[in-house]
Amino acid sequence: NAGVTQTPKFRVLKTGQSMTLLCAQDMNHEYMYWYRQDPGMGLRLIHYSVGEGTTAKGEVPDGYNVSRLKKQNFLLGLESAAPSQTSVYFCASSYEAGGPFNEQYFGPGTRLTVT
Amino acid sequence: DAKTTQPPSMDCAEGRAANLPCNHSTISGNEYVYWYRQIHSQGPQYIIHGLKNNETNEMASLIITEDRKSSTLILPHATLRDTAVYYCIVRVGGYQKVTFGTGTKLQVIP
Repeated sequence: NAGVTQTPKFRVLKTGQSMTLLCAQDMNHEYMYWYRQDPGMGLRLIHYSVGEGTTAKGEVPDGYNVSRLKKQNFLLGLESAAPSQTSVYFCASSYEAGGPFNEQYFGPGTRLTVT
Repeated sequence: DAKTTQPPSMDCAEGRAANLPCNHSTISGNEYVYWYRQIHSQGPQYIIHGLKNNETNEMASLIITEDRKSSTLILPHATLRDTAVYYCIVRVGGYQKVTFGTGTKLQVIP
């Protein structure tokens, strides 16, 4: 049981390049999330998904797109990278919350630098 | 979700109890208090949550005041591995969006 995994762990892009970050979970979770964390700041939600084939915007969605074609995978795309997108990106997943408890399980993060 | 206020940093001697406070004066009746922590460069880790009653698990204890306007996370015997940023979050049960603030940076000192 690997939990939540993220690919790649590190990446350097030039301004204008595109890339896709992959998040995978093996816990059969319905909900998945993408966050970014900038130095000295808390996590900010980019996009999230409440199930296969559905996505929704979070706090800071501009410049990113997402897709959830399979339940276990959640992809984050940068179509035209900008230096402002230099950050650490965390993926998380959680059970469908029929009750109050909704622990989120986080991946190890992807460190992205845009030059 | 209700806003939370935490001190930016705290120190604790190794082996002593670490008491991390959180103010959430605008919490509503159906909002839970959650605690996560983030050890340097890693993804956040769930610690504990509660609604009204005090809660305890293998990692920590959560004390919520009777008026629910504040809470304290207690690490009973802090170790160097507990050095991390601790986030207090209040949210409605079942609501998926979680807002992380800047948390409290706990430094456990040998």
